[in-house]
Amino acid sequence: QPVLTQPPSVSGAPGQRVTISCAGSGFNIGAGYDVHWYQQLPGTAPKLLISLNSNRPSGVPDRFSGSKSGTSASLAITGLQAEDEADYYCQSYDSSLSGWVFGGGTKLTVL
Amino acid sequence: EVQLLESGGDLVQPGGSLRLSCAASGFVFSSYAMSWVRQAPGKGLEWVSTVSGGGDETSYADSVRGRVTISRDNSKNTLYLQMNSLRAEDTAVYFCAKWPVIHMPYYYYMDVWGKGTTVTVSS
Repeated sequence: QPVLTQPPSVSGAPGQRVTISCAGSGFNIGAGYDVHWYQQLPGTAPKLLISLNSNRPSGVPDRFSGSKSGTSASLAITGLQAEDEADYYCQSYDSSLSGWVFGGGTKLTVL
Repeated sequence: EVQLLESGGDLVQPGGSLRLSCAASGFVFSSYAMSWVRQAPGKGLEWVSTVSGGGDETSYADSVRGRVTISRDNSKNTLYLQMNSLRAEDTAVYFCAKWPVIHMPYYYYMDVWGKGTTVTVSS
């Protein structure tokens, strides 16, 4: 069972806005460890999407944004496009496990 | 261009051993911590191990501790993962990934990923 909890799936029509949540605990997100998001297109390696809670690496469209509050974080995607269909993972560090942890992943379907 | 290229994945019997390699290029390899992350078929990402840029600090997931050793040869720009006593549940694609810092990256993210190498543990 992943330490960080994400919804298994979300969906939205082109142009719409969707959010993906990432729920943690006082040992990871709530302890102050930053949250990062990765996008994994089908059959490819993960790609860094959002770093340090809300920073977009160069080349990532501003349609993608991240936030963190308390023991949870979220990824928002606005102006949904067909090419956004992918799996999305949150990641942080967990002090009780002394290791890095991922959420279970969320499959985004663009209707 | 920053690149990571994994190799060494294979079909191995339960109880067997395997060494994965990750050849790095396009950056000063010794200046960055590195990790292995795996993904079982149809499953999510699982962090496996991390090594600091100098190779003096390592960390392992509970699921592999005692069976796996991460190491690096900075003179060859290569990261390794020695895997022993392999089990069926070790079957996965293994990705190597780079961190943006030299020491253990507790607050950080993996900014570059390789394409992965496939390990299958089966009799």
